[in-house]
Amino acid sequence: ETGVTQTPRHLVMGMTNKKSLKCEQHLGHNAMYWYKQSAKKPLELMFVYNFKEQTENNSVPSRFSPECPNSSHLFLHLHTLQPEDSALYLCASSQDPGLAGTDTQYFGPGTRLTVL
Amino acid sequence: GENVEQHPSTLSVQEGDSAVIKCTYSDSASNYFPWYKQELGKRPQLIIDIRSNVGEKKDQRIAVTLNKTAKHFSLHITETQPEDSAVYFCASTGGSYIPTFGRGTSLIVHP
Repeated sequence: ETGVTQTPRHLVMGMTNKKSLKCEQHLGHNAMYWYKQSAKKPLELMFVYNFKEQTENNSVPSRFSPECPNSSHLFLHLHTLQPEDSALYLCASSQDPGLAGTDTQYFGPGTRLTVL
Repeated sequence: GENVEQHPSTLSVQEGDSAVIKCTYSDSASNYFPWYKQELGKRPQLIIDIRSNVGEKKDQRIAVTLNKTAKHFSLHITETQPEDSAVYFCASTGGSYIPTFGRGTSLIVHP
């Protein structure tokens, strides 16, 4: 349960605020992911980092800005969000995509974001 | 890209009954199919997975079957218990090595 941690667990922000979500993994994995989970679209992949390099940006609006300073840490910087961005933001990690036996994703507990 | 369809979206069963959730995928190169369980307010967690070189895998009350020809795989839960109530997600991982998730099935087990 403590392999992937996320802070904060809950966040309420106005549309003009700037905030950041943090994810940390203690599993020695090389890949990290951001997902958005809402009622309408259960699990939407946002960004993928593999060995600190961004390998996937799933047409995410520029008001979401990821940062991966090292293989253990992942941030999601938020600015001028919209109410429809309210959702659960999940971070995940995997050992090394593409290697057999290492594709399993380990999720963090998520940040419940509410945009007013 | 890969497309994963999952059915049903909601499944209601009586305790002790079996539950089956089905997924289909589109990418013939997909070779890894995990299933995740997400309890209310908690994170998704892997419960079972199967690779394309295997047709069936079982772990106590849960099993997964894979039909590569038809491009579908299923989760089977026998002797369901109230603690099995959760949302279950299937996923398919193919040539891009990035998993594509199904939309989820909300399983409700009535005592």
